[in-house]
Amino acid sequence: EAGVAQSPRYKIIEKRQSVAFWCNPISGHATLYWYQQILGQGPKLLIQFQNNGVVDDSQLPKDRFSAERLKGVDSTLKIQPAKLEDSAVYLCASSKWGDRATYEQYFGPGTRLTVT
Amino acid sequence: DAKTTQPTSMDCAEGRAANLPCNHSTISGNEYVYWYRQIHSQGPQYIIHGLKNNETNEMASLIITEDRKSSTLILPHATLRDTAVYYCIVRSPFYNQGGKLIFGQGTELSVKP
Repeated sequence: EAGVAQSPRYKIIEKRQSVAFWCNPISGHATLYWYQQILGQGPKLLIQFQNNGVVDDSQLPKDRFSAERLKGVDSTLKIQPAKLEDSAVYLCASSKWGDRATYEQYFGPGTRLTVT
Repeated sequence: DAKTTQPTSMDCAEGRAANLPCNHSTISGNEYVYWYRQIHSQGPQYIIHGLKNNETNEMASLIITEDRKSSTLILPHATLRDTAVYYCIVRSPFYNQGGKLIFGQGTELSVKP
């Protein structure tokens, strides 16, 4: 089966500009996650969707970051305006949802953002 | 905050078993131990998970101590392609905090020829 797709793979912008990332999860996966990974650190969860609804966005800087998941499939993550500290890899992951206590998350290749 | 403690780095000779330890002394009864790895410039990859019993799949074995306060990931015959950062994660079930993964710093495993 096809994996999690993300685009673009790389993006360079100047501070105060805006940027958007796109994610297409594995078919049939109801849960979608966005993570931020700063160089040398483990990924940090920004937001979790269950179908169209938000389960957890406690770590999302809502003054500049926004995310949506229309129709419960694809998702976009936007940063406006970007700051230098937003330079990181943005990872999208998806998982099934059902009657098990946990399901494995499958990650995409990520988008490397550089803010200059 | 991450609930696990792992060594920062480890080396392993190619063809030998790699044993990666993880301490999770505050784990709760309904929390799972998950292992992921991240090869350079790729997204994290699921390896294995367990609750109480030892588990084995085609990639690795997971040994969880009886008191569940620590675990060991075993790669039975390490290859150069196993060089990666390995993350041990204590994960709540979906009905608690949405089952989110909280990554720590992980262990950087270097497999050497």
